[in-house]
Amino acid sequence: GQSLEQPSEVTAVEGAIVQINCTYQTSGFYGLSWYQQHDGGAPTFLSYNALDGLEETGRFSSFLSRSDSYGYLLLQELQMKDSASYFCASDNYGQNFVFGPGTRLSVLP
Amino acid sequence: NAGVTQTPKFQVLKTGQSMTLQCAQDMNHNSMYWYRQDPGMGLRLIYYSASEGTTDKGEVPNGYNVSRLNKREFSLRLESAAPSQTSVYFCASRNTEAFFGQGTRLTVV
Repeated sequence: GQSLEQPSEVTAVEGAIVQINCTYQTSGFYGLSWYQQHDGGAPTFLSYNALDGLEETGRFSSFLSRSDSYGYLLLQELQMKDSASYFCASDNYGQNFVFGPGTRLSVLP
Repeated sequence: NAGVTQTPKFQVLKTGQSMTLQCAQDMNHNSMYWYRQDPGMGLRLIYYSASEGTTDKGEVPNGYNVSRLNKREFSLRLESAAPSQTSVYFCASRNTEAFFGQGTRLTVV
């Protein structure tokens, strides 16, 4: 089977830094993606890690450790508009990808 | 550049009725996917097509069928709708980064 785990909720204040963790157990693992979804909207791509280490894109960074089956998304300089759900997704055999249950981030003023 | 287009956006069905959800992408992606998302939950993979002419079951395929009509189009069919299929359905296509349609909000009464 395939499973991913994430915290269900995270709360932080504007300007802070927050880390959302993801652990996975999947077969044929190729890489880990992160997606953002605002209420009522479609998921949008944030990052993809195929190799161990940190990938940085503006205020967002993503990390992968294949040996630990673990990754995280780091959001810096939080803004109100970052309030959304964040999903990790495992890329399996380069063919399908399975989502975690999602982490709801609330950014407080 | 339209990306991924899903139709319809909203649908109400009676139990036992059938319908087909349409999805088309214009990014020349080989892989296409159908997900369902229930309130407050993550996205669950229904079926996917890694390339034109192939389809495979995902996590929750029961009650659904798919057709990869050509490289652009991937349809999802509910042969006999049940209330448990009330959900938001998303189509996606990707190389590494996945692009999602805007979703179909389906209610089965």
